[in-house]
Amino acid sequence: AQTVTQSQPEMSVQEAETVTLSCTYDTSENNYYLFWYKQPPSRQMILVIRQEAYKQQNATENRFSVNFQKAAKSFSLKISDSQLGDTAMYFCAFTVYNQGGKLIFGQGTELSVKP
Amino acid sequence: DVKVTQSSRYLVKRTGEKVFLECVQDMDHENMFWYRQDPGLGLRLIYFSYDVKMKEKGDIPEGYSVSREKKERFSLILESASTNQTSMYLCATLRREQGIYEQYFGPGTRLTVT
Repeated sequence: AQTVTQSQPEMSVQEAETVTLSCTYDTSENNYYLFWYKQPPSRQMILVIRQEAYKQQNATENRFSVNFQKAAKSFSLKISDSQLGDTAMYFCAFTVYNQGGKLIFGQGTELSVKP
Repeated sequence: DVKVTQSSRYLVKRTGEKVFLECVQDMDHENMFWYRQDPGLGLRLIYFSYDVKMKEKGDIPEGYSVSREKKERFSLILESASTNQTSMYLCATLRREQGIYEQYFGPGTRLTVT
């Protein structure tokens, strides 16, 4: 079975500090993509960052970066210089290449950034 | 910009009613998806479609059906709504080009079945 586990249901961080959200996954496939999605209180789900499994280099997008450990099947998200607008539900997800793009999601981590 | 719209943000229906949730996209994407979001469970795939009139069951298809008569429109149907179908429903499309593999989501429909 393909699964994604986010073990931190809730987290909080002070504004301007750094926070790391954890994610582990399980698949027997070798070609897949990993994602972090953000869902602010307004509910529109948006992509934060994407990682192709065949790439060893960790993806970065401005203040967002990942630590991708393929052997350990771990995919954590680091948010640097946290801002109030980062307050949201964050979902880790993956899709196997050539399986139609179906996403397998984790349970989500609710992040609160405090002023 | 990709635009995915859903017909209603909030919907209240009675047990036993037939419910239609509509999703429309404007980017000519082939693959479209319906997910259900529940607290503590994340998002779970109900159905997806990879072409007009083509569909495939996801992880939780029971109690649901879908329709894709036109490429831009993907409908989720609850044949006889039940209270355990009270949830947030999200539609998504897939962009798959030039090495980019990304789903775009609609704003969601919060359905309450009483």
